[in-house]
Amino acid sequence: AQKVTQAQTEISVVEKEDVTLDCVYETRDTTYYLFWYKQPPSGELVFLIRRNSFDEQNEISGRYSWNFQKSTSSFNFTITASQVVDSAVYFCALMDSNYQLIWGAGTKLIIKP
Amino acid sequence: NAGVTQTPKFQVLKTGQSMTLQCAQDMNHNSMYWYRQDPGMGLRLIYYSASEGTTDKGEVPNGYNVSRLNKREFSLRLESAAPSQTSVYFCASSEWVSPFPYEQYFGPGTRLTVT
Repeated sequence: AQKVTQAQTEISVVEKEDVTLDCVYETRDTTYYLFWYKQPPSGELVFLIRRNSFDEQNEISGRYSWNFQKSTSSFNFTITASQVVDSAVYFCALMDSNYQLIWGAGTKLIIKP
Repeated sequence: NAGVTQTPKFQVLKTGQSMTLQCAQDMNHNSMYWYRQDPGMGLRLIYYSASEGTTDKGEVPNGYNVSRLNKREFSLRLESAAPSQTSVYFCASSEWVSPFPYEQYFGPGTRLTVT
């Protein structure tokens, strides 16, 4: 069965700390796609990144970086030097062979000033 | 360029009432989706439309119907609302450039309460 697990329900750190959000997925497909979305307190969903299963390069975008490891079925997200504006719920999602998104339950990130 | 818009933003219904949630996108995307988000959970797909003229069931379609009115608009109907349908509903759209799916863009959501 296709499944996405975000084991960290809530993380609280002090501003400027680095923080890593974990995402573990299960799929039988050999080709699949992984996504991260951000949901700030205002409620909208903001796309952050898409990763194809055949591209294992890690990616860095400013303070954000993603570590994709097929061997451990993980797609972790790190925020470096966190800021209060990073406070949000972060969702990891897997697109299956039917091209439907399967979502994790989300990790609530609280950045304290 | 408004992206994905949804109406209404909030709605309160009594059990058994019906209503239609409206969604429109101006990005010329082929695919559109309806999700629901319950507290402490990720989104669950209700229905989707891969392209104009087609609709398919997602993970939780019971109690809902959809209409892909044209390329821009995709509506979700609750025929007889139940308290279990209290949720936040999101509409999304995406492009598709074969063979790769692209990211989905979301509307602001509709908060629905059924009493």
